[in-house]
Amino acid sequence: GAGVSQSPSNKVTEKGKDVELRCDPISGHTALYWYRQRLGQGLEFLIYFQGNSAPDKSGLPSDRFSAERTGESVSTLTIQRTQQEDSAVYLCASSLESSGGETQYFGPGTRLLVL
Amino acid sequence: DAKTTQPPSMDCAEGRAANLPCNHSTISGNEYVYWYRQIHSQGPQYIIHGLKNNETNEMASLIITEDRKSSTLILPHATLRDTAVYYCIVRANSGGSNYKLTFGKGTLLTVNP
Repeated sequence: GAGVSQSPSNKVTEKGKDVELRCDPISGHTALYWYRQRLGQGLEFLIYFQGNSAPDKSGLPSDRFSAERTGESVSTLTIQRTQQEDSAVYLCASSLESSGGETQYFGPGTRLLVL
Repeated sequence: DAKTTQPPSMDCAEGRAANLPCNHSTISGNEYVYWYRQIHSQGPQYIIHGLKNNETNEMASLIITEDRKSSTLILPHATLRDTAVYYCIVRANSGGSNYKLTFGKGTLLTVNP
């Protein structure tokens, strides 16, 4: 079946511009996660959505970062006034739900380069 | 979550079995052992997970020692496309912020022709 999809696959932007990244989770998955991975580094948790519960935004690095999710489907991660240190791969994952530690399945990521 | 220790790199000949070890001596009773891999420039890929019994799926086998302090991921017939960084993690099955995955440095497996 279809996995997690993300778009765009690559994004090059100029410092100060806003960018919007999209994630389509696996159908039926109620939990959705955003992570960031800098070059050669591990995963950095950003935000987590579970059904209609309030999202866990504790990993967002600054107020320039925000994310929304429409019901149990598409999510968008928005970075305002991008900075060079925002350059990274932004990964989205989804799972059936998270209370039981369900397996997270990742998308291919969006590679963001801020010039 | 308990910490894991993996060798930084391993080599394997194409067609041979690749056995990737992981130590997790401080694992708790409710923590599962998960394996993911990340092929260059791709997102992490789930491989397998287990609690205490050995597990097998179409990708790999997972052997967990009886005391659960270590495990081995086995790729029975490695191919060049299995070259990747393999991550072993342990995570609780419920409670707290167990949904926040963190990867260590993992093992870079290089499959050679």
